[in-house]
Amino acid sequence: LAKTTQPISMDSYEGQEVNITCSHNNIATNDYITWYQQFPSQGPRFIIQGYKTKVTNEVASLFIPADRKSSTLSLPRVSLSDTAVYYCLVGGGGTSYGKLTFGQGTILTVHP
Amino acid sequence: DVKVTQSSRYLVKRTGEKVFLECVQDMDHENMFWYRQDPGLGLRLIYFSYDVKMKEKGDIPEGYSVSREKKERFSLILESASTNQTSMYLCASSPPLAGVGDEQYFGPGTRLTVT
Repeated sequence: LAKTTQPISMDSYEGQEVNITCSHNNIATNDYITWYQQFPSQGPRFIIQGYKTKVTNEVASLFIPADRKSSTLSLPRVSLSDTAVYYCLVGGGGTSYGKLTFGQGTILTVHP
Repeated sequence: DVKVTQSSRYLVKRTGEKVFLECVQDMDHENMFWYRQDPGLGLRLIYFSYDVKMKEKGDIPEGYSVSREKKERFSLILESASTNQTSMYLCASSPPLAGVGDEQYFGPGTRLTVT
């Protein structure tokens, strides 16, 4: 399974746009890129998923370049409640039966 | 809404005890997963199951076993608990693959302490 690398931590301020980039050089053809969010004492929660180009939903956008070796999660106008750990995952396609590998994640801290 | 429940939020066991962690999902999902989460290591997959009575080892299966007798229930078993198995245990479920990486739904976690 493809290994992912993302920053350990990031800081931002309320109202700013936050971009978290994840590297996944060994992504396989069938792999999807998925981002999860986790608050303390809770299980991770799905944010967004994509295969290529750009995906947008009500909470985030996901940008994936043509070579798919990296991806960027974009959170528009963050608030204090967006303080959490964000995980980038690749996998789930083909014969991996939905098996996803979580890395260490990025601790995002949003300041007032 | 999908609901994944775990039998306990907090559990304290002694070294050498046999420990059962239960997970139940109510969305008729085929896939179920057990992870452990430790500071600095993120989530690591212990075992997963894609059907009743089917199981596959994840990244760290040593010291654990699993049971899936019914579709909605996936149990994690620590045959002889050790202090290095003190951790947060998270269960998840997802629908079957349709050529895409499907969203996993997580339970609230069980914080296990082995003394």
